[in-house]
Amino acid sequence: DADVTQTPRNRITKTGKRIMLECSQTKGHDRMYWYRQDPGLGLRLIYYSFDVKDINKGEISDGYSVSRQAQAKFSLSLESAIPNQTALYFCATSESGQAQETQYFGPGTRLLVL
Amino acid sequence: KQEVTQIPAALSVPEGENLVLNCSFTDSAIYNLQWFRQDPGKGLTSLLLIQSSQREQTSGRLNASLDKSSGRSTLYIAASQPGDSATYLCAVENSGYALNFGKGTSLLVTP
Repeated sequence: DADVTQTPRNRITKTGKRIMLECSQTKGHDRMYWYRQDPGLGLRLIYYSFDVKDINKGEISDGYSVSRQAQAKFSLSLESAIPNQTALYFCATSESGQAQETQYFGPGTRLLVL
Repeated sequence: KQEVTQIPAALSVPEGENLVLNCSFTDSAIYNLQWFRQDPGKGLTSLLLIQSSQREQTSGRLNASLDKSSGRSTLYIAASQPGDSATYLCAVENSGYALNFGKGTSLLVTP
């Protein structure tokens, strides 16, 4: 089984709808992240969490909210989806903030907002 | 703000060739630099991580170098294979958590 899973893998929704993307990990890591990837723009950080009680905004948090339900679960919500939130969304985890630690990514959720 | 640039944006080579992918960054105060591989539908896979105090890392046919003072890194792939076809992403970590990504190099290795 994959260490970092994301559900759903694909989602089509309409403008104004509320949707939630979910991420679960079995790596036992404290740190979790949400990124979005747009063609021609690379990956950008939306939110990150260092533990269940520590949630921080990233570079592009407007229009998004998150919930860290447990160490293993980190959800991203779009309260009122808009077309420019159409993107590929990735969840990632890492063990700590040490310089030798990498981040482990889920397979991504492809979101289309009509 | 850290800016990460990758050149070329796309590359097509015949199988067996050695190739170099380039990454440059604007802020040399980094924790580490990482190279990822992205395959469609499979997310990102970490290939190599070079800490700021290191000059290079090697894994199999891959070798990554880091010149922090000049803000450059290269990923060298030896004896390329069709299975190496993917998008390669360079990412720089400045602050112990945030990865700043380049836009990637799309590599196609033809049989």
